[in-house]
Amino acid sequence: KQEVTQIPAALSVPEGENLVLNCSFTDSAIYNLQWFRQDPGKGLTSLLLIQSSQREQTSGRLNASLDKSSGRSTLYIAASQPGDSATYLCAVPKTSYDKVIFGPGTSLSVIP
Amino acid sequence: GAVVSQHPSWVICKSGTSVKIECRSLDFQATTMFWYRQFPKQSLMLMATSNEGSKATYEQGVEKDKFLINHASLTLSTLTVTSAHPEDSSFYICSATFLTGAVDQPQHFGDGTRLSIL
Repeated sequence: KQEVTQIPAALSVPEGENLVLNCSFTDSAIYNLQWFRQDPGKGLTSLLLIQSSQREQTSGRLNASLDKSSGRSTLYIAASQPGDSATYLCAVPKTSYDKVIFGPGTSLSVIP
Repeated sequence: GAVVSQHPSWVICKSGTSVKIECRSLDFQATTMFWYRQFPKQSLMLMATSNEGSKATYEQGVEKDKFLINHASLTLSTLTVTSAHPEDSSFYICSATFLTGAVDQPQHFGDGTRLSIL
């Protein structure tokens, strides 16, 4: 049974800092890994998707890496801004048509 | 890109009423749709998986008679919370995907529905 964990559960940093969010999964047989952002009371915004054959993906100030063998992914946020404050979720499906298992999320606060 | 529309985005109703939430794939045919639920300060948990034209598969602990799912077309799935009670208050999100055979497709998520039962 796939289990996804995220560390830390909460993080508060001053504006401008670079930070790393961690995601771990127990079953390496994943289809892809996706990082989402969720603002309070809102839906999910897809940030980055890494296919199982890829090692990393980049979008703007965001960089996500994937190490399937060790069951880990990291989300790197460069030069953090107050607008980055949100909960960040990682999620993995086993196949393209299988359910997605979400991690519990990391709540990020970027202090101006 | 693929878009999934969920409606309504927010609903408040009295205890005992039934509430229907719609999930539509706007620019693709969704062979499979998923319904997730998120309680405050918790992560999303899958409730059920629905394939077009067949009965939904419910996760353990989810009452199929309370949460009715219909996926009658390739672009629409509905979740009906029957006789809703305050403990059903939650954030409900749907996602949709389709099988292409050769192309990897991620799931596409709706914006969610916040349900508050008084």
